[in-house]
Amino acid sequence: DIQLTQSPAFLSASVGDRVTITCRASQGISSYLAWYQQKPGKAPKLLIYAASTLQSGVPSRFSGSGSGTQFTLTISSLQPEDFATYYCLQLNSYPWTFGQGTKVEIK
Amino acid sequence: QVQLVESGGGLVKPGGSLGLSCAASGFSFSDYYMNWIRQAPGKGLEWVSYIGNSGRTIHYADSVKGRFTISRDNAKNSLYLQMNSLRAEDTAVYYCVRDLGFGEDYWGQGTLVTVSS
Repeated sequence: DIQLTQSPAFLSASVGDRVTITCRASQGISSYLAWYQQKPGKAPKLLIYAASTLQSGVPSRFSGSGSGTQFTLTISSLQPEDFATYYCLQLNSYPWTFGQGTKVEIK
Repeated sequence: QVQLVESGGGLVKPGGSLGLSCAASGFSFSDYYMNWIRQAPGKGLEWVSYIGNSGRTIHYADSVKGRFTISRDNAKNSLYLQMNSLRAEDTAVYYCVRDLGFGEDYWGQGTLVTVSS
């Protein structure tokens, strides 16, 4: 099975900061990676798919990059509504797997 | 508009069984693959199972293989998850999801399954 390791697990940042979250796969997954944002009590929301394609309606301050085993989610200027938990998901091979999550908190 | 409504959650004893349903509306259900995703209280997301649009292709997470069965009834626009031999670690909110991860996807509101004596 493919393992996804996200780092950091927790991130404390201020409004306006540039934030980068990394997702490393235990083996190559091409570009079959998605990023989700989840707020407490809500279903996850898709931000990025195919590693770098911004989902329609998602603000352009979110971007994704990478392929193979190393991926990043970048928020160029953190906004108050971005404080949430972020997950990567690999869809290269079954069983599909999520990273353990990165919680972005207010500094 | 696309709607996914899960039902069937509740409290069950370890070793027991429970069946979840997901009623779909607002789209042509038989055209789409479906998934179950779960989230234990205070924990991360876990993909549970996939079923292709015709029901012929099915995949499971290792943690539920042999205990859970995914199925669908395209005539009833419904997705199912039969859960047997339940364990405490199966306690979670279970989400029904259309089109996971490859573009616009849709999630239900989730249904809570609690496995406890």
